[in-house]
Amino acid sequence: GEEVAQTPKHLVRGEGQKAKLYCAPIKGHSYVFWYQQVLKNEFKFLISFQNENVFDETGMPKERFSAKCLPNSPCSLEIQATKLEDSAVYFCASSQPGAGGLYEQYFGPGTRLTVT
Amino acid sequence: AQKITQTQPGMFVQEKEAVTLDCTYDTSDQSYGLFWYKQPSSGEMIFLIYQGSYDEQNATEGRYSLNFQKARKSANLVISASQLGDSAMYFCAMREPSARQLTFGSGTQLTVLP
Repeated sequence: GEEVAQTPKHLVRGEGQKAKLYCAPIKGHSYVFWYQQVLKNEFKFLISFQNENVFDETGMPKERFSAKCLPNSPCSLEIQATKLEDSAVYFCASSQPGAGGLYEQYFGPGTRLTVT
Repeated sequence: AQKITQTQPGMFVQEKEAVTLDCTYDTSDQSYGLFWYKQPSSGEMIFLIYQGSYDEQNATEGRYSLNFQKARKSANLVISASQLGDSAMYFCAMREPSARQLTFGSGTQLTVLP
């Protein structure tokens, strides 16, 4: 598609429950990124993929967070045993190399995760 | 050290006036990209403008222009003829060659007054 799609739009989980978020990048884009936005201003990079391969996972809290991008499937971000501090909007973005090194990232609408 | 600094948490501008949103960055790379995104209250992230570090001309896109001062490491966004619909959070971001991801500033909340 021509837009990055994210599901669900909202997700509510009790502390300790699992949360799984999905992202369908723009068709033809080979890079996928996950960001966490807390409190409407701070963006934290989590992980990036080049096709189905992890490109950079330096932002991932590895003990509870995992992510995949498998061929012919939406990418996913999974949080095991959610904590209150995981409450945030999770954005997925995709990009493709452009002229002059521009890697403009197209963002999805985000998934708002609320942990209660 | 902060890689992207936006020192104005909030800004007000009168409708039809121009406004400058500040952004300074820190990198030791020679090649990098600078981006501005708009986030309205509805939450989506809208790409506005891009400046490559080797671009000699300041980038412009409609009413948006980027005032790029490489020696000062600043990449300020200028919005001309502000409209009520410009009220939103604005984020400056940088991409360094070693990474594909963006590093964001903390944002500036712009309010356009009628």
